[in-house]
Amino acid sequence: SAVISQKPSRDICQRGTSLTIQCQVDSQVTMMFWYRQQPGQSLTLIATANQGSEATYESGFVIDKFPISRPNLTFSTLTVSNMSPEDSSIYLCSVDFPGRAVDTQYFGPGTRLTVL
Amino acid sequence: QKEVEQDPGPLSVPEGAIVSLNCTYSNSAFQYFMWYRQYSRKGPELLMYTYSSGNKEDGRFTAQVDKSSKYISLFIRDSQPSDSATYLCAMSAGSGYSTLTFGKGTMLLVSP
Repeated sequence: SAVISQKPSRDICQRGTSLTIQCQVDSQVTMMFWYRQQPGQSLTLIATANQGSEATYESGFVIDKFPISRPNLTFSTLTVSNMSPEDSSIYLCSVDFPGRAVDTQYFGPGTRLTVL
Repeated sequence: QKEVEQDPGPLSVPEGAIVSLNCTYSNSAFQYFMWYRQYSRKGPELLMYTYSSGNKEDGRFTAQVDKSSKYISLFIRDSQPSDSATYLCAMSAGSGYSTLTFGKGTMLLVSP
């Protein structure tokens, strides 16, 4: 496994503003994923970030709202843009490792976002 | 019908009890099955994974997959208060890389 950190751990933001969440891994990884976890709901995949290419977004999520960067093999950012109270959620990054035989992902501690 | 169904609980048991957590799924393409444990205000932690049908044991934890019934289980023996957490099942169709589909999670409370 790897050590995965996220910043900030939590934030309270005003409607209409943007927040950038950072995800740092202590080893090189192929794929990084961004999820949203809303109360009482399943983890929902927002997008997949592969280093050196555009992020791939899941249905219902768009780049203008959730721009993602992946500048290297150990770091990624997710921006939540033009926030509304409906964006209040926990945002999680996860990683998988190259050469693994089994699909498993390892998660960061999450960023708890409250939008007022 | 959702792809993965999981009873949200909460499931309350006394310390020492055997706990059974379950998920059902509808997509017959799923081959890899995982259980994650999530403590309050923490990220999900991979607990166990299995491939196809069968059982896998790790200490007090046993994961069981029945693909014919599209049903997976996680058993916890001699449950401890430290097992109190939300348990998420997850599954995927392929090896290498493919999207994980999660259940909503079951909250487990183990009382001393």
